[in-house]
Amino acid sequence: EAGVAQSPRYKIIEKRQSVAFWCNPISGHATLYWYQQILGQGPKLLIQFQNNGVVDDSQLPKDRFSAERLKGVDSTLKIQPAKLEDSAVYLCASSLDWQMNTEAFFGQGTRLTVV
Amino acid sequence: AQTVTQSQPEMSVQEAETVTLSCTYDTSESDYYLFWYKQPPSRQMILVIRQEAYKQQNATENRFSVNFQKAAKSFSLKISDSQLGDAAMYFCAYNVPPLFGSGTQLTVLP
Repeated sequence: EAGVAQSPRYKIIEKRQSVAFWCNPISGHATLYWYQQILGQGPKLLIQFQNNGVVDDSQLPKDRFSAERLKGVDSTLKIQPAKLEDSAVYLCASSLDWQMNTEAFFGQGTRLTVV
Repeated sequence: AQTVTQSQPEMSVQEAETVTLSCTYDTSESDYYLFWYKQPPSRQMILVIRQEAYKQQNATENRFSVNFQKAAKSFSLKISDSQLGDAAMYFCAYNVPPLFGSGTQLTVLP
């Protein structure tokens, strides 16, 4: 079974530029999550999708971050404009159905450096 | 609001020895799940073990076991016969979507 795929693995951009991350969850998984992991900290949930609907985006800085999952499969997370404090690893995860408390499977993440 | 606390930023263990990583949490729920995840330098978060709160029996997966104390809201991870490949960041997490603690960096000494 293929795991959660993320790209790119690394990205370096200048502040005020925009960047996008892509995630392909495990086939059949209805729930998709984006996490932000700042160096030395635990991952923090940014947004949670159930199919193509948003379940929770309370921690997403909506003035600069946006995410979509248009067909209920792949997802993109965008930052525009980026700030220095956005430097972090962005992790995507998926699960069969969060309401069943099934395990979340994680991708390898994208390391973003904002200079 | 729920919280997860890991008070040991770093731990070390000699190869083949046993180490215990601590985790406490706070919740008003009676039914929930707890997890331990391992994050090696590759950054991929890997599930080590999970515990369902309504089950009194502590979960075990090969060399990994937990000590779940529901009343004390404590959920520690014991790694027996530590191996070099166990070196990683370990995160305690509450429920789904996972709410993570700050992590414990485990070093395994040869």
